[in-house]
Formats: sequence, structure tokens, C-alpha cells
Amino acid sequence: EVQLVESGGGLVQPVGSLRLSCAASGFIFSNYAMHWVRQAPGKGLEYVSSISATGGSTFYANSVKGRFTISRDNSKDTVYLQMGSLSGDDMAVYYCARGLSSNWYFLDHWGQGTLVTVSS
Amino acid sequence: QVVVTQSPSASASLGASVKLTCTLSSGHSGHINYAIAWHQQQPEKGPRYLMNVNSDGSHIKGDGIPDRFSGSSSGAERYLTISSLQSEDEADYYCQTWGTGIPVFGGGTRLTVL
Repeated sequence: EVQLVESGGGLVQPVGSLRLSCAASGFIFSNYAMHWVRQAPGKGLEYVSSISATGGSTFYANSVKGRFTISRDNSKDTVYLQMGSLSGDDMAVYYCARGLSSNWYFLDHWGQGTLVTVSS
Repeated sequence: QVVVTQSPSASASLGASVKLTCTLSSGHSGHINYAIAWHQQQPEKGPRYLMNVNSDGSHIKGDGIPDRFSGSSSGAERYLTISSLQSEDEADYYCQTWGTGIPVFGGGTRLTVL
């Protein structure tokens, strides 16, 4: 069974930093692209970032480019999201998701999410 | 950039059927050929992948998705039909495609089961 478990969320002050982790199990992690998607309170899903299966290619939404960094450790079956210069606009539940093997743009398994609160 | 448009809300009665619409648009006609994915998000839960829907209307469902859920297409529109509505189908439904190398989400449709 595919499982994605996010961790690392919590309360952070404005302009602070935070690193999220997503531990994967139930599939060959190194074969799949991975994504981060967020959802602000009462809002819809917003794409954040993607990383290819090997980690050689990364992609970002314009809203986080230059502030967030996605990475992965295929030996640990884990994908990370390093977030910096955080503001209230970044407050959201952050979901980790797996890209479909046939077309990595599509997300076929999701985690339960981790909440990031930005407040002084 | 592809834009994904969904109606904010829909409603249907228990046991009935409902058809949700996702409309693709962009600065060129290529979006008509784009496949999409439907995701369901029940209250207080993470999203769940339902299926992919191709421009020809064929669809591939995710693991464990009931037969009550089906997809179809017409031009730039992609549809999700849910038959024999159950109370647990009350959820937000998101359409997702891709553009300029990244996933793109619609604003979601909140389905109320009456």
C-alpha cells in the first residue's frame, strides 16, 4: 500500500524558515516524481513544487520561487521542502503527492498533510 | 498557460446522479487535447486521486475507486459523473491538468448531497 507521511509543520514566525519532510513507503520511491501542494484555510489546492525521480529536475510555482527548495533522498525514500522568508501567505496545510508513473504531472497518491502556521 | 475553470458548487439528491464540469482554456487551441485528473477531498481529509480523463473521453481510475465514478470529455470540457450518490460523496472535487511544465489546479467544486 502506498503511504506518504508528511512531518515538520508547526508554528513559525514571519520571515522564518521551516523544513518539511515526506516519508514514502509501499512503492519504489526512486522511480517516481514527487510534488508538494498546499491549501490555505478555506481555500483550494495550490501547486507548490515538483522534483523528478532522480532529483535532477525541480520546478516551482512563481509564488515560492527563490524562497523554497525541494529535494529528495532516494536512499531514505523521503522528499523535503525547505521553506524560507515565510509570510502569512504561506500559511497552509502542505501535502506531499506522488506523480503518476505514466505522466508525472498527474498526482495519484496524497499524504494527509502537515500544517504550517506563520505568526508572531 | 492553461486555465482550469470549475463551478464553485453543485448539489444533487441522495441516490441520484451528478455531472461535474471542468473547462480548459488557454491562449492557443492545444488545451483541447489535454488530459486531466479528478481529485476528491472529503471534509477534514487530504485529497484522493479519482481518475485521469483523456481528451477522447477514455479514463483510468485510481485504486479502489467505485464504478459509480466515471469520466468523459467533449471539446475543452472534462466531466466527472457520480451515479447513485451517497452521503460520503459530499466533498470538494478538483480538476487538475498541467501547463508550462507544472501541475495546474482548478478552484474546485463543492458537491452537496441533499
